[in-house]
Amino acid sequence: DAGVTQSPTHLIKTRGQQVTLRCSPISGHKSVSWYQQVLGQGPQFIFQYYEKEERGRGNFPDRFSARQFPNYSSELNVNALLLGDSALYLCASSTGTNTEAFFGQGTRLTVV
Amino acid sequence: GQQLNQSPQSMFIQEGEDVSMNCTSSSIFNTWLWYKQDPGEGPVLLIALYKAGELTSNGRLTAQFGITRKDSFLNISASIPSDVGIYFCAGQRRTGNQFYFGTGTSLTVIP
Repeated sequence: DAGVTQSPTHLIKTRGQQVTLRCSPISGHKSVSWYQQVLGQGPQFIFQYYEKEERGRGNFPDRFSARQFPNYSSELNVNALLLGDSALYLCASSTGTNTEAFFGQGTRLTVV
Repeated sequence: GQQLNQSPQSMFIQEGEDVSMNCTSSSIFNTWLWYKQDPGEGPVLLIALYKAGELTSNGRLTAQFGITRKDSFLNISASIPSDVGIYFCAGQRRTGNQFYFGTGTSLTVIP
């Protein structure tokens, strides 16, 4: 069975640009969450989506947005990139909103 | 924001030794998860705990949901080189859907 898949695996962007990250959850999982992990720290919650509706939002600026599609895949968008947005972006899938979360391999975003 | 404190921050142990690490919170959690993360990879779920006092094993790993619901513990018995990595705890409150992650414990196993 395929696990959580994220694309791309690595990305380099320039300050001010916009980026879209993609995530496909485990088959049968209806919830997708996005986390940002800065080097040396634990993941920080950005968004959770369940059945295409936003069910939670972390303490991130409005430059961050996300959506979930009918097939439960998800996209995370970040506008007006800052150097501080450089991080590993992790997608986690789960069957519901408060069940264990399984992570993908992440997308390494570098902003220069 | 919510802080989960993990200790120790790092550990250097000999192969074959047992390992203990813990995670504490100022808030009550309804769910505790333990993850292992290798460099450049996503966290891999090791154990999930849903009930105060619960003790759950996964091979050489054993984790406990603290009775106060503000802490959790992870033990690794008879460590091997592939146990090397960073271990994270994560907690979820009764209300709200996000998982709060700890600061991580870096484990190095010396052959």
